Amino acid sequence: GENVEQHPSTLSVQEGDSAVIKCTYSDSASNYFPWYKQELGKRPQLIIDIRSNVGEKKDQRIAVTLNKTAKHFSLHITETQPEDSAVYFCAALRDQAGTALIFGKGTTLSVSS
Amino acid sequence: KAGVTQTPRYLIKTRGQQVTLSCSPISGHRSVSWYQQTPGQGLQFLFEYFSETQRNKGNFPGRFSGRQFSNSRSEMNVSTLELGDSALYLCASSPRYGQGREQYFGPGTRLTVT
Repeated sequence: GENVEQHPSTLSVQEGDSAVIKCTYSDSASNYFPWYKQELGKRPQLIIDIRSNVGEKKDQRIAVTLNKTAKHFSLHITETQPEDSAVYFCAALRDQAGTALIFGKGTTLSVSS
Repeated sequence: KAGVTQTPRYLIKTRGQQVTLSCSPISGHRSVSWYQQTPGQGLQFLFEYFSETQRNKGNFPGRFSGRQFSNSRSEMNVSTLELGDSALYLCASSPRYGQGREQYFGPGTRLTVT
């Protein structure tokens, strides 16, 4: 079955720096890759997603890139702010699996001012 | 639109008991999935429902079951609770079934088994 590896598990940056989180997946049939942000005690929130027919997607300070050949995708956050501090989860999904997302273990991002 | 809601938000049960958790999806969403979140295992898929039918099931024992009603609301049931079932149970709703549709999570039910 699908397996998603996420790195790093923790990431500390200074406010204004960029942060990059990387995920690799094992199932070449996976074609949908969302990213979720979970603040302490709150629900996971979908922040950006990308489908396999697209190489890159941006939304303000957030971008996701996908390399299908290497089977990895990355989340890029620019100009980080303290409110970006949270746990970020990547996930992968293939059409035949319905809505069964396979998640990475998460990255705890800390942005210090 | 109102978001995904889950009840109850917190629950304390004793080993051996059973529990039922409820999820109301976003209005108009017909697909509901359930996930278990623990510090050790992270987020793991339990099962998903669409049109009152279970479409997929994760790697969990038969003690975990669920159902979906005609109004798309879903319930999950855990029988013969074990200490290891202590977790945050999240449901997520999606507009349609499959094909990489975005999922929106509820606040979760925190289950503690003593």
